[in-house]
Amino acid sequence: KQEVTQIPAALSVPEGENLVLNCSFTDSAIYNLQWFRQDPGKGLTSLLLIQSSQREQTSGRLNASLDKSSGRSTLYIAASQPGDSATYLCAVGGGGNKLTFGTGTQLKVEL
Amino acid sequence: GAVVSQHPSRVICKSGTSVKIECRSLDFQATTMFWYRQFPKQSLMLMATSNEGSKATYEQGVEKDKFLINHASLTLSTLTVTSAHPEDSSFYICSARDRQGGSQPQHFGDGTRLSIL
Repeated sequence: KQEVTQIPAALSVPEGENLVLNCSFTDSAIYNLQWFRQDPGKGLTSLLLIQSSQREQTSGRLNASLDKSSGRSTLYIAASQPGDSATYLCAVGGGGNKLTFGTGTQLKVEL
Repeated sequence: GAVVSQHPSRVICKSGTSVKIECRSLDFQATTMFWYRQFPKQSLMLMATSNEGSKATYEQGVEKDKFLINHASLTLSTLTVTSAHPEDSSFYICSARDRQGGSQPQHFGDGTRLSIL
């Protein structure tokens, strides 16, 4: 059974700082990995999708990497802003298009 | 971009009531939709996979008679929580994937906050 863990569970940084969120998974036989953002009481916004054959994806200030063999992914956020404050979830895509979600990292970017 | 609409966004009702939640893909067709449940400060747990024109596939531990799923068209799936009780109170989120498949990501609705009194 796939298990997905995210570290840290919570993170508070000053505005402008670069930061890295970590995601690890136990079964390397994945189809893809997706990073999401969730604001309080809201649904999920897809940030980046990395296929199993890819090493990284970039969108604006976000960069996600994938090391399938070691079961790890990182989400790098450059020049953080208060508007980046949210919970970030990684999800591993397996057979049947099913996603297994991590526990999330709650990010707070302070002025 | 692809949009998934979920309705209603919030429901408050008495114990014993059945509640229907709709999930619609607005600008794409989805042969498969997914229903998740999220408890406070926890991650999303997949409840079931909704398949257009056929029966849903439920995850282990999810009561299919309690959570009825209907996926009658390529753009609509419904989840009915039957005879809801306070322990069913949770945040329910649906997602859909474009039927074209391939490298398409899943797109999520805004969720439904269900509160059973």
